[in-house]
Amino acid sequence: QVQLVESGGGLVKPGGSLRLSCAASGFSFSDSYMSWIRQAPGKGLEWLSYITSRGAIFYVDSVRGRFTISRDSAKNSLYLQMNSLGAEDTAVYYCATVFGPGYSYGYGDFWGQGALVTVSS
Amino acid sequence: EIVLTQSPATLSLSPGERATLSCRASQSVSTYLGWYQQKAGQAPRLLIYDASNRATGIPTRFSGSGSGTDFTLTISSLEPEDFAVYYCQQRSNWPLTFGPGTKVDIK
Repeated sequence: QVQLVESGGGLVKPGGSLRLSCAASGFSFSDSYMSWIRQAPGKGLEWLSYITSRGAIFYVDSVRGRFTISRDSAKNSLYLQMNSLGAEDTAVYYCATVFGPGYSYGYGDFWGQGALVTVSS
Repeated sequence: EIVLTQSPATLSLSPGERATLSCRASQSVSTYLGWYQQKAGQAPRLLIYDASNRATGIPTRFSGSGSGTDFTLTISSLEPEDFAVYYCQQRSNWPLTFGPGTKVDIK
């Protein structure tokens, strides 16, 4: 079955960096579009970044230039490098497979359990 | 950026009742609109994609309709496990955006 397991979350000081990882199994990772989506405590969902199977990448404005999504098909892993973190980045970060029949973009199909990132001094 | 608005913010109903949730887009998204259910402490679960298609394993009491800017998620008869927060999401344009959510709670 599909499994996505995030790791790398934790407490970081403002201005600091963190790298999230997502270990994928149970599906063809190299053929799949993947994404990072976050949810601030008690708030709604924000789609952060999207990477296609061919490596095309998209970012929402709030993280562009600070966050970098990448994938390693040899390791079946997705990554999110987060730099210049601020309090507004405090959230649970989910990796998700993307389901998008017949169009460029899609929906979050399978989700990990989430990794909590807390930005605080 | 396409803004999604959901109403009502909270819906208080009893088990067995019908729930009707609304999602409105700031511009047309054609039928590229999905719905998710999220329970406390869990990741969201995709219920409906492309306005009216149930995702794999989703019970038939969940149905979606609409096109353009106005969409509806209907739960025909609420089961105890259906009390949760529901989000809509558009995949028409980048950035992909979610609505603020509708909480369905027990009356």
